[in-house]
Amino acid sequence: DAGVIQSPRHEVTEMGQEVTLRCKPISGHNSLFWYRQTMMRGLELLIYFNNNVPIDDSGMPEDRFSAKMPNASFSTLKIQPSEPRDSAVYFCASRTKVAGDDFHEQFFGPGTRLTVL
Amino acid sequence: DAKTTQPPSMDCAEGRAANLPCNHSTISGNEYVYWYRQIHSQGPQYIIHGLKNNETNEMASLIITEDRKSSTLILPHATLRDTAVYYCIVRPNSGGSNYKLTFGKGTLLTVNP
Repeated sequence: DAGVIQSPRHEVTEMGQEVTLRCKPISGHNSLFWYRQTMMRGLELLIYFNNNVPIDDSGMPEDRFSAKMPNASFSTLKIQPSEPRDSAVYFCASRTKVAGDDFHEQFFGPGTRLTVL
Repeated sequence: DAKTTQPPSMDCAEGRAANLPCNHSTISGNEYVYWYRQIHSQGPQYIIHGLKNNETNEMASLIITEDRKSSTLILPHATLRDTAVYYCIVRPNSGGSNYKLTFGKGTLLTVNP
């Protein structure tokens, strides 16, 4: 298995531009997560999808951030317009349900390092 | 979620056991202890988890005290590739909030040659 795939790996953009980050979860996984990591705030959960439906988006910083999961194999995180304070590493993770309420652990992608100038 | 307390950094000699402590004195009865690690420039990686019994897998051992207020992650023979930030997390293993991993600052383990 290729693991969780994220693209691009690095993105440099200018303030005000739209940024789209992409994630392909592990095949068969039914939950997907977007995280953001900065030196100041550490690793934070932005949004959680289960069976392609957003369940918890309380971590999304503001309306400039939006996430979609049109199907089980693809998700996007969009920032419009981007600001310098959005500079961070964005991770996507996925997991699958084992049985009953038990879940496998989250498998993280390599991340996208975003720099907004 | 219960909070955890970890030392900010630790050193270990290559080939020796690394013992990483974690305090979780407010842990609830249905909360498990999970350990993840993050090697520089990579995403976090699951290591092990447990409820109250000691656990062992191919990566590490987890020792949880009888009162469950603390635990220790043991890497039996640390290598240079084990240098990473290690996160101790407690969370329910079932129910509506079992998806949440709340990462603290973790412990930076440096394995020295």
